[in-house]
Amino acid sequence: GAGVSQSPSNKVTEKGKDVELRCDPISGHTALYWYRQSLGQGLEFLIYFQGNSAPDKSGLPSDRFSAERTGGSVSTLTIQRTQQEDSAVYLCASSPTGETSGGAIQETQYFGPGTRLLVL
Amino acid sequence: RKEVEQDPGPFNVPEGATVAFNCTYSNSASQSFFWYRQDCRKEPKLLMSVYSSGNEDGRFTAQLNRASQYISLLIRDSKLSDSATYLCVVNEDTGGFKTIFGAGTRLFVKA
Repeated sequence: GAGVSQSPSNKVTEKGKDVELRCDPISGHTALYWYRQSLGQGLEFLIYFQGNSAPDKSGLPSDRFSAERTGGSVSTLTIQRTQQEDSAVYLCASSPTGETSGGAIQETQYFGPGTRLLVL
Repeated sequence: RKEVEQDPGPFNVPEGATVAFNCTYSNSASQSFFWYRQDCRKEPKLLMSVYSSGNEDGRFTAQLNRASQYISLLIRDSKLSDSATYLCVVNEDTGGFKTIFGAGTRLFVKA
């Protein structure tokens, strides 16, 4: 079946502009995650959606970052007034139920191909 | 100290070699552990979960040592196709979601 898809695959923008990144999770997956990965670095957690629950936004680096998930499916990550340090690969992942034990995700996360963002 | 630490490598090994990676974590309340593989300019993909009793999948063996707070990945009979970055993933019990990815260990397998 179809995996996680993200668009655009690449985005070049000028400092100060807003950008929107889209994620289509695997159909039926209730949990959705956003991460970013800078060159040569590990993944940095940004935000987590689980069903209809309030999202966990604890990883968002500043109030310029926001995300929403409409209808429990597609998610959009918005970065306002982009800065050069926002340049990174933004990865979305989904998992079937987001099953947790004490808050710790137990399931495999399936990643999309990412959006490569370059802020000039 | 980083929450999850890995030796960045690179590890350069010949085909057929056995290679092992360790990953240490700082939070003793960590709940679940995984190894992901990431090819250059690609997304991470699950390699294997790490169970308390240790687990094996073909040429790959994962171990968890809770007392010393580390997990390991052993690759036997390395193949050229094993060349990738291996990411250690730790899920913490903090009352809220917390998944932490290590920065990865790069492996190059040479003919």
